[in-house]
Amino acid sequence: AQKVTQAQTEISVVEKEDVTLDCVYETRDTTYYLFWYKQPPSGELVFLIRRNSFDEQNEISGRYSWNFQKSTSSFNFTITASQVVDSAVYFCALSAALGSGYALNFGKGTSLLVTP
Amino acid sequence: DSGVTQTPKHLITATGQRVTLRCSPRSGDLSVYWYQQSLDQGLQFLIQYYNGEERAKGNILERFSAQQFPDLHSELNLSSLELGDSALYFCASSASPADRGNSPLHFGNGTRLTVT
Repeated sequence: AQKVTQAQTEISVVEKEDVTLDCVYETRDTTYYLFWYKQPPSGELVFLIRRNSFDEQNEISGRYSWNFQKSTSSFNFTITASQVVDSAVYFCALSAALGSGYALNFGKGTSLLVTP
Repeated sequence: DSGVTQTPKHLITATGQRVTLRCSPRSGDLSVYWYQQSLDQGLQFLIQYYNGEERAKGNILERFSAQQFPDLHSELNLSSLELGDSALYFCASSASPADRGNSPLHFGNGTRLTVT
């Protein structure tokens, strides 16, 4: 079964701290795709990154970085020098074939609160 | 702005009623997805359409139905509404073919449904 687990329900940090959001996934597929989305208080879901299962290179985008490790089935997300604007719910998702299409299976999300 | 348009933004209705949620995908995207977000269930996949055809079905109740029209806009119909149907309903679109999971989903701002 395809499953995404985000064990951290809520995280609270002070501005400028680094924070890592954990994501562990389960899949039987040999080729799969992982995603991170951000949902700020305004409610929209914003795509952050996609990772292919055959590309284990870590990725950095500004203050954001992602660590993909197939050996531990993890795809963790780190925010460096957090800012108040980073406060949001962050979702990890796994693409899964379903019927003749596919769907993204989302974790329950991690609510991040960054305080000044 | 994701380019996905959902209407209405808010909907308040009574139990037993029927409502229709509308979604226009990003220009050029053939795949449309519907998701339900509630506090207890998180983000739940409902259904996927590709170029007018149903391709994947998730945890969609029999009281719910959807379709995608020739102009690619989609509608989600919710009938015999119950209090538990109160949720945020998202539509998303992607550029990927129906059977691929490699393209990110781009989400609309959602329709907030309140059943009283």
